[in-house]
Amino acid sequence: GAVVSQHPSWVICKSGTSVKIECRSLDFQATTMFWYRQFPKQSLMLMATSNEGSKATYEQGVEKDKFLINHASLTLSTLTVTSAHPEDSSFYICSARSDRKETQYFGPGTRLLVL
Amino acid sequence: AQTVTQSQPEMSVQEAETVTLSCTYDTSESDYYLFWYKQPPSRQMILVIRQEAYKQQNATENRFSVNFQKAAKSFSLKISDSQLGDAAMYFCAYRRSGTASKLTFGTGTRLQVTL
Repeated sequence: GAVVSQHPSWVICKSGTSVKIECRSLDFQATTMFWYRQFPKQSLMLMATSNEGSKATYEQGVEKDKFLINHASLTLSTLTVTSAHPEDSSFYICSARSDRKETQYFGPGTRLLVL
Repeated sequence: AQTVTQSQPEMSVQEAETVTLSCTYDTSESDYYLFWYKQPPSRQMILVIRQEAYKQQNATENRFSVNFQKAAKSFSLKISDSQLGDAAMYFCAYRRSGTASKLTFGTGTRLQVTL
């Protein structure tokens, strides 16, 4: 299967700071990337969908000014959690898909802890 | 709106035995894809198997096979010769055909494998 990397895998930050998470498709061009949030023992919750070169589409209830998504190239998308607060602590997962593949591949996830 | 239902929050199987995980979905579309993803304790989402709705033949991948009943909107996963490494959360997912579509996940089934 295709490979999606995510960095960092773990981040601890102070309340009020911003955190950037990178997601890369390593062996295919990702025309569409997705960002999910997962709470313990729950399913994945889609936060936003981004297409290369265009603005992200956010799901209802997700603050676009807080969770900034950039999809500048066909292999890289970033999620920036701005002015992070303890309630933003969670597991964030990116996913990527190309127009040529029907399957969506997932990164290994990033654990964010805001103190 | 599409929904995916996994009615078994937890399942248990003995090593080397066979287990079936249930999944039903609701859609008015005729062209779509169904997936089973595995999430082990590492939390990396791994594609287990994929089924195209237009294909009548059930997908198989080594010890994993599905029973796809389109009319009943059922998509169960059978794991044969269960191994300790199969212990994980299993998510059933649906996506309609089209580049703009997104995955809809079920709530997951936690599979335990015992000796």
